[in-house]
Amino acid sequence: DAGVIQSPRHEVTEMGQEVTLRCKPISGHNSLFWYRQTMMRGLELLIYFNNNVPIDDSGMPEDRFSAKMPNASFSTLKIQPSEPRDSAVYFCASSLTGGHYEQYFGPGTRLTVT
Amino acid sequence: GENVEQHPSTLSVQEGDSAVIKCTYSDSASNYFPWYKQELGKRPQLIIDIRSNVGEKKDQRIAVTLNKTAKHFSLHITETQPEDSAVYFCAVGETSYDKVIFGPGTSLSVIP
Repeated sequence: DAGVIQSPRHEVTEMGQEVTLRCKPISGHNSLFWYRQTMMRGLELLIYFNNNVPIDDSGMPEDRFSAKMPNASFSTLKIQPSEPRDSAVYFCASSLTGGHYEQYFGPGTRLTVT
Repeated sequence: GENVEQHPSTLSVQEGDSAVIKCTYSDSASNYFPWYKQELGKRPQLIIDIRSNVGEKKDQRIAVTLNKTAKHFSLHITETQPEDSAVYFCAVGETSYDKVIFGPGTSLSVIP
């Protein structure tokens, strides 16, 4: 298995633009997590899905952020409109479900909003 | 909600010495306690985990101890090597679902 795949790896955009981050979890993993990592706030859980259903989105900063998981092999995190304070590394992770299993992280997307 | 703290925030040790990182949490119902290692520019990776029915777990030079009464657990690295230099995150698993809450991280530097 190729592991968790994220794209793009780097994204530079101007304030106000829409940004879409993509994630393909490991086949067979039913839980998917989106994290944001910054020096100031550490590793924050934004949202997680179980069997394609959003279970907890309490970490989503505001209405500018949205996430979808249309099927078991694909998820997106969208920011619209983007702001400079959204600059961070965004990680997607996946795991088996039903009892606290290892989370496998993707390589991350480094987002810079100018 | 769950509150996870880590100490120290930075740690510097000589190669061959031991390193200990402590993590405290607030929710007594938590029952899953993993540790992740993140090397510079890389993704976090699980190095060891422990569940609430076990007090200690070892894997070669790494061990984790759990004190559920005091609500803290610790990562112990013996015979440290330069490749142990990284940021270490503790995490705490809630009883429902599969999410964990990460601590703020400890930056470990092993000096050759």
